Amino acid sequence: DVKVTQSSRYLVKRTGEKVFLECVQDMDHENMFWYRQDPGLGLRLIYFSYDVKMKEKGDIPEGYSVSREKKERFSLILESASTNQTSMYLCASRNTGTDTNIQYFGAGTRLSVL
Amino acid sequence: GEDVEQSLFLSVREGDSSVINCTYTDSSSTYLYWYKQEPGAGLQLLTYIFSNMDMKQDQRLTVLLNKKDKHLSLRIADTQTGDSAIYFCAENPDNYGQNFVFGPGTRLSVLP
Repeated sequence: DVKVTQSSRYLVKRTGEKVFLECVQDMDHENMFWYRQDPGLGLRLIYFSYDVKMKEKGDIPEGYSVSREKKERFSLILESASTNQTSMYLCASRNTGTDTNIQYFGAGTRLSVL
Repeated sequence: GEDVEQSLFLSVREGDSSVINCTYTDSSSTYLYWYKQEPGAGLQLLTYIFSNMDMKQDQRLTVLLNKKDKHLSLRIADTQTGDSAIYFCAENPDNYGQNFVFGPGTRLSVLP
């Protein structure tokens, strides 16, 4: 089974802090994604990485950056957290070698910025 | 642009069938997906359907696809309390690109 692990289920941070959200997948998938989930809005793509050291901005990249130094790990960074970044953050990975184009999700990190 | 719409809430009685509906605007997706999210958890893939199929059945789940009307539905037979969750419809219009479009999710409540 594919496993996508997000390092924290819950985080509480203060405005202005630098925040790191970590995601690790164990299936050698090339593609990894960071989404933000807010009630009634579904999932919105923050950043996408199609391979190591490669990244593309998604729909809402402002206020975020990412790092993909190793294939299995994709980190989301909030340089200076703000209260409007309080949300549920979901990481996903995808194997481009199959034809079903399925994303596998982690359990999510619920971030509160005070 | 791409858009996926779902009603936000559905309530059913335990043992009844649930039907969750979804409409989408972009017909270029090779696959369409249903994900389930239980409280406090991430998204779990429930099932998917290839775009040239009309129907797919998997145990209690039946997916119907009407490409002409761009309508996708998920039917859950004999709904149980463990089926209470949020269900997301999704498509990938740029097939294998980064652009997955998710609906807002339908919160299914199963009443005893």
